[in-house]
Amino acid sequence: GQQLNQSPQSMFIQEGEDVSMNCTSSSIFNTWLWYKQDPGEGPVLLIALYKAGELTSNGRLTAQFGITRKDSFLNISASIPSDVGIYFCAGMNYGGSQGNLIFGKGTKLSVKP
Amino acid sequence: NAGVTQTPKFRILKIGQSMTLQCTQDMNHNYMYWYRQDPGMGLKLIYYSVGAGITDKGEVPNGYNVSRSTTEDFPLRLELAAPSQTSVYFCASSHRGTGTYTDTQYFGPGTRLTVL
Repeated sequence: GQQLNQSPQSMFIQEGEDVSMNCTSSSIFNTWLWYKQDPGEGPVLLIALYKAGELTSNGRLTAQFGITRKDSFLNISASIPSDVGIYFCAGMNYGGSQGNLIFGKGTKLSVKP
Repeated sequence: NAGVTQTPKFRILKIGQSMTLQCTQDMNHNYMYWYRQDPGMGLKLIYYSVGAGITDKGEVPNGYNVSRSTTEDFPLRLELAAPSQTSVYFCASSHRGTGTYTDTQYFGPGTRLTVL
């Protein structure tokens, strides 16, 4: 089946620093999603990308849908302590009735005040 | 709106026991999903439903059953619990409209299940 490689697995940064993480796939997707999961909670959607090359921002978060449709990037600028959590990328292809999201393994972000 | 609610939050089962994980959404979403999340891993789809009375298998359906008798509810049943089913289970829902831009999946808070 389709595989997503998400990197890095974990990051430990200083407050105020910028963060970059990415996701690559062995096959193409026509939708890329980025989720954040806090401890003991379900994932919450941060950004959704629907077109190759698309660059979308949500506050301090910016994500891009790679031109090849096989990758996506998430950047967080000026990190703050509440950014701590696990960030997941997910890819999806529309077609038929299937709504199958393929998730990466996550990037665990720790922010040192 | 409460969104997606799941019960129970935690459960410990003995091998061979059965249980039902409950999921309810009040957003009138037509699509509902069950995922499991193992430590250090992303979520994997167990089953999904595109509407009342219609269910289909996801990536890891073995050992589970689902039903969808109403739009709001999508219970997940474990018939013979096994240690390999120790995981955190998330239910999600989305509204799949006629365009591709409507399918945002909203997740519940999860059920942490341990099988001993």
